[in-house]
Amino acid sequence: GAGVSQSPSNKVTEKGKDVELRCDPISGHTALYWYRQRLGQGLEFLIYFQGNSAPDKSGLPSDRFSAERTGESVSTLTIQRTQQEDSAVYLCASSLKAGGITDTQYFGPGTRLTVL
Amino acid sequence: AQSVSQHNHHVILSEAASLELGCNYSYGGTVNLFWYVQYPGQHLQLLLKYFSGDPLVKGIKGFEAEFIKSKFSFNLRKPSVQWSDTAEYFCAVSNSGGYNKLIFGAGTRLAVHP
Repeated sequence: GAGVSQSPSNKVTEKGKDVELRCDPISGHTALYWYRQRLGQGLEFLIYFQGNSAPDKSGLPSDRFSAERTGESVSTLTIQRTQQEDSAVYLCASSLKAGGITDTQYFGPGTRLTVL
Repeated sequence: AQSVSQHNHHVILSEAASLELGCNYSYGGTVNLFWYVQYPGQHLQLLLKYFSGDPLVKGIKGFEAEFIKSKFSFNLRKPSVQWSDTAEYFCAVSNSGGYNKLIFGAGTRLAVHP
């Protein structure tokens, strides 16, 4: 099982509830990315982690969104007070290191979030 | 700001037909270019990538793409498609000077009929 894994695969929640999405990157990958894919659209960058550096949060759409990563392992994306427009597939990707010819991102299967 | 445009949202072909999917990007600096594919029920995977050197890049499963800097384009081609190529194809770009935050196009759904 060397790929990126994400959980849950599907999440249905009520508007206003908080949700937490999890990503397990490939072992040894120092860079981790979160993207969002709304229906019929391409992926939108949300946040990026590289080792112990400060994350790039420039893609987070609002302060209801936050993410954490423990060292070079698991990351969690939290959405507080969910809204219907948050419904999307949330994808996680990891790469060996950021930048350069080796930086191919490997994607997980995604979490499909539905906010009722 | 960087952006990626994929001209065709849906393409329908018969087996053995030739394929070309358009991709244009807007960015003034040096870029890295990617095509990702998502087969039905599977997750996104890399088809091919361009970082530097030969602008004609060959990827898996007989796909290739050509980087034309003057046209800001990175079109994907395959001379003869198969039913198994039915998938969604995404073009993406990143700034080669920094980390690879990918900017994606909206995707093209390809359906290949036997």
